[in-house]
Amino acid sequence: DAEITQSPRHKITETGRQVTLACHQTWNHNNMFWYRQDLGHGLRLIHYSYGVQDTNKGEVSDGYSVSRSNTEDLPLTLESAASSQTSVYFCASSLEGRTGELFFGEGSRLTVL
Amino acid sequence: QKEVEQDPGPLSVPEGAIVSLNCTYSNSAFQYFMWYRQYSRKGPELLMYTYSSGNKEDGRFTAQVDKSSKYISLFIRDSQPSDSATYLCAMTAGYGNKLVFGAGTILRVKS
Repeated sequence: DAEITQSPRHKITETGRQVTLACHQTWNHNNMFWYRQDLGHGLRLIHYSYGVQDTNKGEVSDGYSVSRSNTEDLPLTLESAASSQTSVYFCASSLEGRTGELFFGEGSRLTVL
Repeated sequence: QKEVEQDPGPLSVPEGAIVSLNCTYSNSAFQYFMWYRQYSRKGPELLMYTYSSGNKEDGRFTAQVDKSSKYISLFIRDSQPSDSATYLCAMTAGYGNKLVFGAGTILRVKS
């Protein structure tokens, strides 16, 4: 069965360290997204991609970067982790043109000490 | 003011009750409306999807959109303990436009 997987599921790191969260989907979807979920804020878009070599900033992109070298993967990098980036991160994908029909991963819980 | 407002709850109901979950929004350009269900420590999953105004029914679930009032609802009939989850509304003006999520309502169905 097609799926979307995130790793690691849990990570604890220290302020200032670089962290990469992996996202891999086997749906063959063109569109991929990274969200963070915090109490009281719901899901907020960090970065998104509509295809290979395409990346775009979302509403809370400061301190994060992504790259899209193939259809299946969209890794999220925190260049220098800050305590404000402690959150649960969700990767999602969708078919081109399928507005709002997102398939989410299980989430990566990141703690920055 | 947030573009999408959703009461965070928690909403606690007895098994078998009819549940009403709601969102209000301010952007009249929104055309596509979704409800996602999220179990604890899991990713959200799409539950209902509607375009423009009207009702859509799927089993025990009914999604309702009132664009004139900028108000959407999700009704759950004969609620079950397995319905206990966080329900997120989401909406967008269309493909290529941002998808805006509500903060989510926690629902607890007691057996």
